[in-house]
Amino acid sequence: KNEVEQSPQNLTAQEGEFITINCSYSVGISALHWLQQHPGGGIVSLFMLSSGKKKHGRLIATINIQEKHSSLHITASHPRDSAVYICAVERGTYKYIFGTGTRLKVLA
Amino acid sequence: ETGVTQTPRHLVMGMTNKKSLKCEQHLGHNAMYWYKQSAKKPLELMFVYSLEERVENNSVPSRFSPECPNSSHLFLHLHTLQPEDSALYLCASSQDRRVQYFGPGTRLTVT
Repeated sequence: KNEVEQSPQNLTAQEGEFITINCSYSVGISALHWLQQHPGGGIVSLFMLSSGKKKHGRLIATINIQEKHSSLHITASHPRDSAVYICAVERGTYKYIFGTGTRLKVLA
Repeated sequence: ETGVTQTPRHLVMGMTNKKSLKCEQHLGHNAMYWYKQSAKKPLELMFVYSLEERVENNSVPSRFSPECPNSSHLFLHLHTLQPEDSALYLCASSQDRRVQYFGPGTRLTVT
């Protein structure tokens, strides 16, 4: 079993839908990151969380440290949100474990 | 140039070649990273440099040799690679352990 599990692995949604991507981890962490990777490879850091909730535009990330779980929500989804979303946990100084990613496709 | 740049963007090399990947960050950050992304596998952190000193080396084969001559530049020297080393190699930078900024990657094919 991977130390970082994401679900679902693949997700197709219609434009405008509310989307949730989940990340569960089994180790102690100091922070959790959400990354977005578009076709072609470029990666953008979306959030870095150690507690609570963060919001940026249509994106919301939450983390529950006790339950070892984080969610990434996308409101009013748009085709340009189509990408792979990657969860990564930070275990101490410069030690990262990455999930396998959730491939999201938003249809117009 | 802004952000994190990587050259070359694509590289094809034979198993006996020696080549280098270059990363440059224009953000004034003090930490730089090399990652490997193989098809259908999670991102793997290869090396981390903080203040130009290597602070993390995740059991990477010696055919990969990093170099960080200053806080803005990071190299990955490659020699006698194997076909399974074909992957997307990504560079990133951050200020301390804060949010990382990624380069576009170098897609490497080993023939």
